Amino acid sequence: AQKITQTQPGMFVQEKEAVTLDCTYDTSDPSYGLFWYKQPSSGEMIFLIYQGSYDQQNATEGRYSLNFQKARKSANLVISASQLGDSAMYFCAMREVTNAGKSTFGDGTTLTVKP
Amino acid sequence: DAGVIQSPRHEVTEMGQEVTLRCKPISGHDYLFWYRQTMMRGLELLIYFNNNVPIDDSGMPEDRFSAKMPNASFSTLKIQPSEPRDSAVYFCASSLDRTVAETQYFGPGTRLLVL
Repeated sequence: AQKITQTQPGMFVQEKEAVTLDCTYDTSDPSYGLFWYKQPSSGEMIFLIYQGSYDQQNATEGRYSLNFQKARKSANLVISASQLGDSAMYFCAMREVTNAGKSTFGDGTTLTVKP
Repeated sequence: DAGVIQSPRHEVTEMGQEVTLRCKPISGHDYLFWYRQTMMRGLELLIYFNNNVPIDDSGMPEDRFSAKMPNASFSTLKIQPSEPRDSAVYFCASSLDRTVAETQYFGPGTRLLVL
């Protein structure tokens, strides 16, 4: 079974609107970390936001927030007030305590922001 | 503070040639990771090091691939001989430690094309 599942290969959003990118994960570890990265067309991988499995509150970083639903094993990224520069590929990743050297990445979601 | 540095940024070579990719991690980071990204397979972890010692090389595709980390500030990934199917973007990443909360920071990647 895949450890990280991103079910949306592509998403479109109108500029200035909010968008949610889905991520579900599979782990039996009690402690794990969830990350989102952005990969623009230039190719670099940019860290956006982190959520720990024991964190009580959803993580936020500027226009990015993480909708963490532990019981459902989902960690969706919410981008508010979308900008044209948000057009990119977005990856969800997980780091587990039993395998903490490694991160497992999803297949990514391509977001296109329309003017 | 400088991020992860990779060189070269682009490499075009002919089948059968040796290719060496280089990485300088963020100073003070004890973990270094090599990833490969292709359209077909997504982002794959090839190998990672802790304090210059290879910890897990189970992702290395075959004996043609080798990686070294002679000191804390330098690592190489070598492909010898190279094949067209090795064409991909190769990322180096580093992190401070192995805890689940620790972010991996990526370099800009090396785009390799093997003709």
